Amino acid sequence: AQKITQTQPGMFVQEKEAVTLDCTYDTSDQSYGLFWYKQPSSGEMIFLIYQGSYDEQNATEGRYSLNFQKARKSANLVISASQLGDSAMYFCAMREARTGANSKLTFGKGITLSVRP
Amino acid sequence: KAGVTQTPRYLIKTRGQQVTLSCSPISGHRSVSWYQQTPGQGLQFLFEYFSETQRNKGNFPGRFSGRQFSNSRSEMNVSTLELGDSALYLCASSPGLIRDSPLHFGNGTRLTVT
Repeated sequence: AQKITQTQPGMFVQEKEAVTLDCTYDTSDQSYGLFWYKQPSSGEMIFLIYQGSYDEQNATEGRYSLNFQKARKSANLVISASQLGDSAMYFCAMREARTGANSKLTFGKGITLSVRP
Repeated sequence: KAGVTQTPRYLIKTRGQQVTLSCSPISGHRSVSWYQQTPGQGLQFLFEYFSETQRNKGNFPGRFSGRQFSNSRSEMNVSTLELGDSALYLCASSPGLIRDSPLHFGNGTRLTVT
C-alpha cells in the first residue's frame, strides 16, 4: 500500500484564488511528521510547511496552510492568493519515527499546479 | 547563508562507467541524505549520513555508495552504471537528529546514462 497518496494528476487555479492540494497518508506510527515541498521546473525542492502528528493546531506559513485531519489521515495543503510563481510540482512527504532515520522521507507522486493569469 | 550545493549540475556517462556526485550542506548542518528522482519511481531515499556515519540506507543495490567527510560534505558514487540510473539525484541537509527539522535540498545533479 502506498504510504503517501496524491491522486490529483494536475490542478489549475486562477491567479489570486485559493487552491487545495490533497494528500492522504498511511502509517501505524503514533509519532510522525508531514512535509510539503515545491519543485519548480528548475529541479530544486523547496520546503513549504511542516506538521507534526502531535501538533494540535494546523500549521501555517505565510500563504501556505496545512489542513491536518489526523483521524482521516489527510494533510492537505492550502495555498491562498495564488501567484504565477506558484506553478510547480508539489510533493507531500512523511517521516515516520519507526524508521530511525531523521532524513528518510517517503514522498508522494506529486501534483502539478498551474496558475492561470 | 548559502544553501545546499551540488556539483556537477549535469552529467552524461556511458553504461559501465562510474560516477561521483558531490554535495556541500548548509553551514552547520551535520546530516546529509541523498534521493533519486525518476519519472517512473518518483523520489526514493538512497542513504543518510550523520557525523561521517551512514545511519540508514534505502533499497538500492550495492553499486550505490556514499560517504561523508569531517566537514559534513558528502559524496555519492554509482559504479557500473546502467541505463536505469538516469535520474535527478538530490542531496538534502538538516541540522541533525531533530525530528521536525525540514530537509533542505540542493538543485540536484541530473545524470544521463547512455
